[in-house]
Amino acid sequence: DAKTTQPPSMDCAEGRAANLPCNHSTISGNEYVYWYRQIHSQGPQYIIHGLKNNETNEMASLIITEDRKSSTLILPHATLRDTAVYYCIVREPFYNAGNMLTFGGGTRLMVKP
Amino acid sequence: DTAVSQTPKYLVTQMGNDKSIKCEQNLGHDTMYWYKQDSKKFLKIMFSYNNKELIINETVPNRFSPKSPDKAHLNLHINSLELGDSAVYFCASSKAGAAGELFFGEGSRLTVL
Repeated sequence: DAKTTQPPSMDCAEGRAANLPCNHSTISGNEYVYWYRQIHSQGPQYIIHGLKNNETNEMASLIITEDRKSSTLILPHATLRDTAVYYCIVREPFYNAGNMLTFGGGTRLMVKP
Repeated sequence: DTAVSQTPKYLVTQMGNDKSIKCEQNLGHDTMYWYKQDSKKFLKIMFSYNNKELIINETVPNRFSPKSPDKAHLNLHINSLELGDSAVYFCASSKAGAAGELFFGEGSRLTVL
């Protein structure tokens, strides 16, 4: 039951902005957009989440379209350490039995020198 | 001080053996999870545990059993290990009210020979 669609892979030049797209056309009104990444051989790492407003933290910015059917994660100045698989997930924020955090295939971002 | 810690990090064992992986979180979270990442790199939820309620992914064999001595620990026991159990197992935790923001451990790589 894939709620999100992401490109399987992307390249980015070191120092440039990395823009990772995600489509979630069936998102419901109370579902948030979450982004995680998994650097090779490490556990997944939470990056950012949002409902409808754009969000920014020390790691990234999240731009959500007005209709909420797609979003973009922006790493403003990508470094080699940002090479990872990035996962876009939509879900409600509260815990319940039918609402486990489910990972899809993600986008493999390769940052190149 | 690691937020979510798992032990052991590596585990090599023979088919048919019984083994355990321990997980501890010092974040004061009330919900803990176990995920399995197989050789194809797909992350799958296995269990979640909140307030003494265990949610089991129906695809998980009953040879797998989580045990929670207290809110800070969720250990994974595996009986009669099979070759297909070889994977990386990740423990995670969250607040029930922020169940989209999971903190993951570094993973435990299990190899069954």
